[in-house]
Amino acid sequence: QVQLVQSGAEVKKPGASVKVSCKASGYTFTSYAMHWVRQAPGQRLEWMGWINPGNGNTKYSQNFQGRVTITRDTSASTAYMELSSLRSEDTAIYYCARRQETDAFDIWGQGTMVTVSS
Amino acid sequence: QSVLTQTPSVSGAPGQRVTISCTGSSSNIGAGYDVHWYQQLPGTAPKLLIYGNSNRPSGVPDRFSGSKSGTSASLAITGLQAEDEADYYCQSYDSSLSGVVFGGGTRLTVL
Repeated sequence: QVQLVQSGAEVKKPGASVKVSCKASGYTFTSYAMHWVRQAPGQRLEWMGWINPGNGNTKYSQNFQGRVTITRDTSASTAYMELSSLRSEDTAIYYCARRQETDAFDIWGQGTMVTVSS
Repeated sequence: QSVLTQTPSVSGAPGQRVTISCTGSSSNIGAGYDVHWYQQLPGTAPKLLIYGNSNRPSGVPDRFSGSKSGTSASLAITGLQAEDEADYYCQSYDSSLSGVVFGGGTRLTVL
């Protein structure tokens, strides 16, 4: 079945970087855009950016410009999201989500908890 | 502050009908961009509930319906059930921000 499986929880110190992976299966990885969305504890969903797995083109939210990098490995059907210069406010669950033709996110990963603490 | 505004909470008794609103502006909903709705049960990832303003993915009960008018959109839930208790988010695109935007979320409590 179509699914996105993310890497496990991470604990990082302020100033460090974190890289979360999202492995796709059950569909052609390069045919659908992959987005990243985060959710701080008790807070709303926040869009971070997306990648076209077919050509590697990316677009990032202004809120994360300069700190986030989204990449992909087509041979592994995996997308990655790296966030640098971590601060406590980056403590959140990070989700990858597949964008369907209608621009809605029809498949979501299970989420990866990233905790930033000294 | 979310670009799309949602009422923080709504409640209803089993069997009742509730509506959740999502108010945007001329750079997102009012510009013609579609609105999508997600249901997030406690401790789980969001699930697509309505796409393209009013379309239900396969498997979503017809108790859930969506509409859009002007700079706003609404999600209606009829025949409320206990398992509908969740957070609901609207999503669209904003041309001023050149990106995806979400509402602040609405917590539905089934009394």
